[in-house]
Amino acid sequence: EAGVAQSPRYKIIEKRQSVAFWCNPISGHATLYWYQQILGQGPKLLIQFQNNGVVDDSQLPKDRFSAERLKGVDSTLKIQPAKLEDSAVYLCASSLEFEAFFGQGTRLTVV
Amino acid sequence: GESVGLHLPTLSVQEGDNSIINCAYSNSASDYFIWYKQESGKGPQFIIDIRSNMDKRQGQRVTVLLNKTVKHLSLQIAATQPGDSAVYFCAEKTIGNSGYSTLTFGKGTMLLVSP
Repeated sequence: EAGVAQSPRYKIIEKRQSVAFWCNPISGHATLYWYQQILGQGPKLLIQFQNNGVVDDSQLPKDRFSAERLKGVDSTLKIQPAKLEDSAVYLCASSLEFEAFFGQGTRLTVV
Repeated sequence: GESVGLHLPTLSVQEGDNSIINCAYSNSASDYFIWYKQESGKGPQFIIDIRSNMDKRQGQRVTVLLNKTVKHLSLQIAATQPGDSAVYFCAEKTIGNSGYSTLTFGKGTMLLVSP
């Protein structure tokens, strides 16, 4: 079974620039999560999709972050404009029922 | 021994020792718990899970204990190996405002195993 795929693996941008991350979940998984993990901390949920609908985006900074999951499969997370404090690893995960499977993440550095 | 580092609590053990990693969870309504292992540069990897109607579950070299009275979860690793060195997170599944379950992570503990 193929795992959760994310790209790019690394990204360095200047503050105020925009950036997008892509996630391909495990086939058939209805639930897709985007987490932000700052160095030394646990993953923090940004947004959760059930199929192509958002079920939780309470911790997403909506003035600069957006996400979509067209057709209920792949998802993109965008930051525009980026701030220094957005430097983190962005993790995508998917689940069928209970256990969530994670991708390797995208490490974003904002300079 | 166990110490609090700059960001993460750290547990240092010798190879072959048994390790116990603790986690306090926040929501008494949580009905499912997962322990994840995260190695440097990788995403969290599932280790073992437990439902709230159980108080103990065993896997290969790992045991999870759940104490709902004090909202405490622990992960026991038997005969710890250098390859067990990683950050360990507990995660709890709760029902969000939307009615869908969501996965919330704890702060994590770094396990360092020396040969």
